[in-house]
Amino acid sequence: NAGVTQTPKFRILKIGQSMTLQCTQDMNHNYMYWYRQDPGMGLKLIYYSVGAGITDKGEVPNGYNVSRSTTEDFPLRLELAAPSQTSVYFCASAEPGTGDTEAFFGQGTRLTVV
Amino acid sequence: AQSVTQLGSHVSVSEGALVLLRCNYSSSVPPYLFWYVQYPNQGLQLLLKYTSAATLVKGINGFEAEFKKSETSFHLTKPSAHMSDAAEYFCAVRPSGNDMRFGAGTRLTVKP
Repeated sequence: NAGVTQTPKFRILKIGQSMTLQCTQDMNHNYMYWYRQDPGMGLKLIYYSVGAGITDKGEVPNGYNVSRSTTEDFPLRLELAAPSQTSVYFCASAEPGTGDTEAFFGQGTRLTVV
Repeated sequence: AQSVTQLGSHVSVSEGALVLLRCNYSSSVPPYLFWYVQYPNQGLQLLLKYTSAATLVKGINGFEAEFKKSETSFHLTKPSAHMSDAAEYFCAVRPSGNDMRFGAGTRLTVKP
């Protein structure tokens, strides 16, 4: 039961470096999400996708990019890392529906930008 | 846009005491509401969800939540806290069926 898998689990980046956070799910879910979690702030939606080839911005998209070439994968790209992007990142997936379907989460990627 | 507000960033209870975690939603129509739990260094796990089938929703680990339209609330309760309930709890809403928005979270501490 893999579910939603995120890699890497931890990463330290220098300011200005770029990286891709990987996310893959094996539940054939159409919907996928990226969130960031900061202390006391809950989870903020960065980007989401309702299917392959379709992505949309969430609450805090600046500094990030995504792509969705397959149903399974939804990578998150940081082009020029900044200290403000130090956070824990969660990927999630869900079945489409009328809104009553829950999201399934990965274990998270802890990113530090120094 | 629909959102949720969790009252109290930290709640501390004694083992065996009632757990009450508060969540209010802003919506003109009854939304789809969820409670998630996050244990240290882990992802989020669904506790329960409200989908309009019943106002009292039972979840895992003895938790339940009651949807009250008149109060726009969806508070999470558990009659008797266990040490293993110590975690962070998030209330969430799906505004459009596409995305999911979370509250700021409530950290529950259980004292022996």
